Amino acid sequence: QVQLVQSGAEVKKPGASVKVSCKASGYIFRSYGLSWVRQAPGQGLEWMGWISVYNGDTYYAQKLQGRVTMTTDTSTSTAYMELRSLRSDDTALYYCARGGTTAFDFWGQGTLVTVSS
Amino acid sequence: DIQMTQSPSSLSASVGDRVTITCRASQSIGRFLNWYQQKLGKAPKLLIYSASTLQSGVPSRFSGSGSGTDFTLTISSLQPEDFATYYCQQSHSTPTWTFGQGTKVEVK
Repeated sequence: QVQLVQSGAEVKKPGASVKVSCKASGYIFRSYGLSWVRQAPGQGLEWMGWISVYNGDTYYAQKLQGRVTMTTDTSTSTAYMELRSLRSDDTALYYCARGGTTAFDFWGQGTLVTVSS
Repeated sequence: DIQMTQSPSSLSASVGDRVTITCRASQSIGRFLNWYQQKLGKAPKLLIYSASTLQSGVPSRFSGSGSGTDFTLTISSLQPEDFATYYCQQSHSTPTWTFGQGTKVEVK
């Protein structure tokens, strides 16, 4: 069965970086793109960006351009999302989600990133 | 950028009620509209894609309709497990996506 398993919770200081992983199983990793979505406490869903596992192309939300990098390691079927220059308003639950051409049909369990001094 | 606006932001309903949630896009998106359900503390779950296609395993009491800029998610008879927050998402501008702000369905 398709599974996306994310790395554990992180606590970071303002200005630091965080790298969250998402290990996929149960399907051909290269056949689907992956998006990252975050959710601040008590807030809605915010799409952060997408990576083509097939060729590494990336598209990022404009507000995160320059601070976020998404990569994949096809040898381990793992995707990564790195966010730099962290601020308090980056505190959120971060999800990876498998994206076909349209919808996100499978999601990771979420990784809580807390930014606090 | 395409903006998605849901209404209402929250609603109160009882088991057995018919519930309707609307989603409006800032420009025409054809039928590139998806719906998700999120329960407290859980990841979102895909319910409907391409405006009206039910994802595998989703109960038939859920249905979606609409095209262009106006879309609707309907729960024909609300069940206890349906109390959750629902989000629409446009996939017209892939590979970029936008979510609506969410509609919380609460117990009346």
